[in-house]
Amino acid sequence: NAGVMQNPRHLVRRRGQEARLRCSPMKGHSHVYWYRQLPEEGLKFMVYLQKENIIDESGMPKERFSAEFPKEGPSILRIQQVVRGDSAAYFCASSPSTGGYEQYFGPGTRLTVT
Amino acid sequence: QQQVKQSPQSLIVQKGGISIINCAYENTAFDYFPWYQQFPGKGPALLIAIRPDVSEKKEGRFTISFNKSAKQFSLHIMDSQPGDSATYFCAASISNYKLSFGAGTTVTVRA
Repeated sequence: NAGVMQNPRHLVRRRGQEARLRCSPMKGHSHVYWYRQLPEEGLKFMVYLQKENIIDESGMPKERFSAEFPKEGPSILRIQQVVRGDSAAYFCASSPSTGGYEQYFGPGTRLTVT
Repeated sequence: QQQVKQSPQSLIVQKGGISIINCAYENTAFDYFPWYQQFPGKGPALLIAIRPDVSEKKEGRFTISFNKSAKQFSLHIMDSQPGDSATYFCAASISNYKLSFGAGTTVTVRA
């Protein structure tokens, strides 16, 4: 049973470019969460999605960031016009569709903006 | 505003010793309290979790103690091993919802 998968694992972008981060939840999970971790800090919630719906995006910066979880395919976190401050590790987690509060994390995507 | 406060920031323990990490929260609506273990360059791994209707939960060498009235919970790592050297995060959530994380504790176990 594969865990949460994220790709790419490492991503380097120049300032002003776009970054696309992908997350495939565990089999049977339809809840996806994105978190950001800055160096030497804890994880900060960004957005919570279910299939085709954004449930809570209160942790997302107002501009340049967007997320989706389509009916088919992985969840995508998109960062437009990246800046150096966007450099961080971005983690995706998934949880079961019914019952169970456990969130299982993927290995993360480490974004470096040069 | 950090909803979950974690201490200490780091600790060093001898092999075989006990590691204790403490967390405090403010939001009384929280009803799920997990602990995660993270190794450098890896994603957080769920270690153990507790609901507020129990005061203690034990899994192997890891124990969570929960004090609802004080709004505090702690992780005890018994018989600490070098392989336990990692960063540990406490967290809290309301049902199956977004997790609020503590700042993390780096544990170093000396052989």
